[in-house]
Amino acid sequence: SQQGEEDPQALSIQEGENATMNCSYKTSINNLQWYRQNSGRGLVHLILIRSNEREKHSGRLRVTLDTSKKSSSLLITASRAADTASYFCATRLSGGYNKLIFGAGTRLAVHP
Amino acid sequence: EAQVTQNPRYLITVTGKKLTVTCSQNMNHEYMSWYRQDPGLGLRQIYYSMNVEVTDKGDVPEGYKVSRKEKRNFPLILESPSPNQTSLYFCASREGQDSYNEQFFGPGTRLTVL
Repeated sequence: SQQGEEDPQALSIQEGENATMNCSYKTSINNLQWYRQNSGRGLVHLILIRSNEREKHSGRLRVTLDTSKKSSSLLITASRAADTASYFCATRLSGGYNKLIFGAGTRLAVHP
Repeated sequence: EAQVTQNPRYLITVTGKKLTVTCSQNMNHEYMSWYRQDPGLGLRQIYYSMNVEVTDKGDVPEGYKVSRKEKRNFPLILESPSPNQTSLYFCASREGQDSYNEQFFGPGTRLTVL
């Protein structure tokens, strides 16, 4: 199975609500990144959190990292219809291993 | 505008007919990579390149070749495509070799092999 796995696989909410997506991973990481993908398009980097950080903010995004539980969460506050997309976590393993490993993603639908 | 471009965006071909998907970036990035995206599997890395003339296999390299003769270009070659290579392909690049830098993705190439 994959290093990073997002939960839930799909999420449907109303505009204005908050959306929370989770990512779990198996081995020690150097950093964890979240990406967004609009349908059939390329991925866009949202935020990176290092293994020694616990929380990070960027606009309406809040990312947390719990290395003891090997998990991260992405919170989108006051969601908008334009936030409808798939969200992926990507982990870089520790120990000089240079590539990013992507999870299967969470499909978020925000309804007006 | 800083970007990663891929061509073609859509391609339908037949089994065994060699094809090349081009990738070019204008950000002077050292690192470039190819991924394929399949439903339920996320992105899987095919090949990557740390710099000119330096390439290495990713997780699913079988059936693919790459080359990095120039810093800006990183073409993906399918010598003899098969139906199991039907997928959505993304090229990506990033500055430097360390993954603390964000990756920039191309728009994707949707390939169908009949």
